[in-house]
Amino acid sequence: DTAVSQTPKYLVTQMGNDKSIKCEQNLGHDTMYWYKQDSKKFLKIMFSYNNKELIINETVPNRFSPKSPDKAHLNLHINSLELGDSAVYFCASSVNVGGRETQYFGPGTRLLVL
Amino acid sequence: SQQGEEDPQALSIQEGENATMNCSYKTSINNLQWYRQNSGRGLVHLILIRSNEREKHSGRLRVTLDTSKKSSSLLITASRAADTASYFCATDPQGAQKLVFGQGTRLTINP
Repeated sequence: DTAVSQTPKYLVTQMGNDKSIKCEQNLGHDTMYWYKQDSKKFLKIMFSYNNKELIINETVPNRFSPKSPDKAHLNLHINSLELGDSAVYFCASSVNVGGRETQYFGPGTRLLVL
Repeated sequence: SQQGEEDPQALSIQEGENATMNCSYKTSINNLQWYRQNSGRGLVHLILIRSNEREKHSGRLRVTLDTSKKSSSLLITASRAADTASYFCATDPQGAQKLVFGQGTRLTINP
């Protein structure tokens, strides 16, 4: 049973396109996150949601729009993709909001913008 | 802003040796966590140490925390080839409601 799943695993697209990444967790957690990991392996939080409510928006360009239809799902839509958006995007979840909790990560979505 | 910084950035040792990775951070924290990332995979939680703890063990892992020096170390004893991965520390800055990750230490265990 996959705890945190993401689709697609790989995404190759042209600059200027719009794309979405989906995330689902079956752990019953209230909080979900999106992280971006760049080519130097630096992992940075983008958004967090607690029970469908936005908690953290880490000064991400508004081309990135997260959506949480329910607490088990957190999707990420990216408009007008740029070369610098190429990275690995990880979804994660935890029981509650905050850094006191263990976070469970999905396998990642490798985005390449050409 | 980046909170945790791991040292060294890369470490290569022989199987059976011990591996030590260090993490330094800048602000007061509630706790510190260590995660492992195998190549092409997501991060996996290893251990959490709270700010009022100084040392914690889990199997072959030993974590220390020195809040006066704002630093932590992760020791993996009797390393195995399967320990080859990147290791990240993540801090929980007070009031931040998030984890802040370092850049990781890439550990290679040579058979």
